[in-house]
Amino acid sequence: DAGVTQSPTHLIKTRGQQVTLRCSPKSGHDTVSWYQQALGQGPQFIFQYYEEEERQRGNFPDRFSGHQFPNYSSELNVNALLLGDSALYLCASSLPGVTEAFFGQGTRLTVV
Amino acid sequence: AQSVTQLDSHVSVSEGTPVLLRCNYSSSYSPSLFWYVQHPNKGLQLLLKYTSAATLVKGINGFEAEFKKSETSFHLTKPSAHMSDAAEYFCVVSPSGGYQKVTFGTGTKLQVIP
Repeated sequence: DAGVTQSPTHLIKTRGQQVTLRCSPKSGHDTVSWYQQALGQGPQFIFQYYEEEERQRGNFPDRFSGHQFPNYSSELNVNALLLGDSALYLCASSLPGVTEAFFGQGTRLTVV
Repeated sequence: AQSVTQLDSHVSVSEGTPVLLRCNYSSSYSPSLFWYVQHPNKGLQLLLKYTSAATLVKGINGFEAEFKKSETSFHLTKPSAHMSDAAEYFCVVSPSGGYQKVTFGTGTKLQVIP
């Protein structure tokens, strides 16, 4: 079992650009959550996807959007990148109603 | 509304001595509580979870935590620190059963001195 896999592991973007991050959940998991972890901070919940729909959302602007595919994998899209979007983006997968989530190793996004 | 406060940003202990990482929470619901560990350049790993069963929860690697409703606390302890325990630890609250809109604390960095 490969666990939760995220790609890419690192990337550098320029202000104003758009970025797409990808996540494959743990085998058998159908719920995917995304988090932003700024340097020295705890992860902040962005949103959660289940059955290809956004079910929960944290306090993030509409520039942050996502998608879940029929195979449960997910994408996080960020438009009009700002320097403040530089962070580690974590994906977690779980089963609905289950209390444990498994995290990927994250994608380190640097905006210059 | 819910929130988590980790009372110490850094904790330093000597190898072989006890570890105490403090966490206080606030929740409008009966919460689920978790502790995660993050080693450098690694993802988050679940140490233990409380979901309204036994108030003393045992986790992996010798860690345990006690849910104290009267004190709204969920402190993480380990009797004897090991060098491999050096990492960042996050206390997490979820409003109810199920991994929903969770809130992370700001983290406690544990240093273990040989």
